[in-house]
Amino acid sequence: RKEVEQDPGPFNVPEGATVAFNCTYSNSASQSFFWYRQDCRKEPKLLMSVYSSGNEDGRFTAQLNRASQYISLLIRDSKLSDSATYLCVVMDNTGKLIFGQGTTLQVKP
Amino acid sequence: EPEVTQTPSHQVTQMGQEVILRCVPISNHLYFYWYRQILGQKVEFLVSFYNNEISEKSEIFDDQFSVERPDGSNFTLKIRSTKLEDSAMYFCASRSLAGGPWGTDTQYFGPGTRLTVL
Repeated sequence: RKEVEQDPGPFNVPEGATVAFNCTYSNSASQSFFWYRQDCRKEPKLLMSVYSSGNEDGRFTAQLNRASQYISLLIRDSKLSDSATYLCVVMDNTGKLIFGQGTTLQVKP
Repeated sequence: EPEVTQTPSHQVTQMGQEVILRCVPISNHLYFYWYRQILGQKVEFLVSFYNNEISEKSEIFDDQFSVERPDGSNFTLKIRSTKLEDSAMYFCASRSLAGGPWGTDTQYFGPGTRLTVL
């Protein structure tokens, strides 16, 4: 089983749509959880950390279910500039980051 | 806003040659990492470094790889004898001390060095 598993997509959505990404992780000892965004041939950039209580940052909402080892990201009112690859990332108990394959989002006018 | 910097942005080398990739982490950070991303694949952990020694290394980080913090600012990754399969994007990342080795502080990534081995 992959350590962090994501649907690679691509997700093709119109501007203004709501889109949801899901992710599962295998190591129950994982400490911290993140969504990073990666543009083509660029470095990963932190989008948001993910907490069990759920957290929201503008149009972005992240959820963590530790019991199911499941992480989600919801993007509301999609913009053209949201087009990117979204990386589900888990920090293990040694401090290193474990990345999912990424989910590609293409927002179209 | 402080940022991680990396040089060079692109390195082309012949198979069997040595390369040194350089990183300048954020100044008050004390945990340093190298990751790599082969084209079309996921980002993979290579090595973590703290207090002037390796904390953890992956299976990828074999005897051909080494890391060093030669002074107070630079953090380098050396590949002694490059192979074709070393061609990838190499990202340096750093994290502050708060939260300890498994703390929740964010790892900040540099822009990467694209290594092409011919």
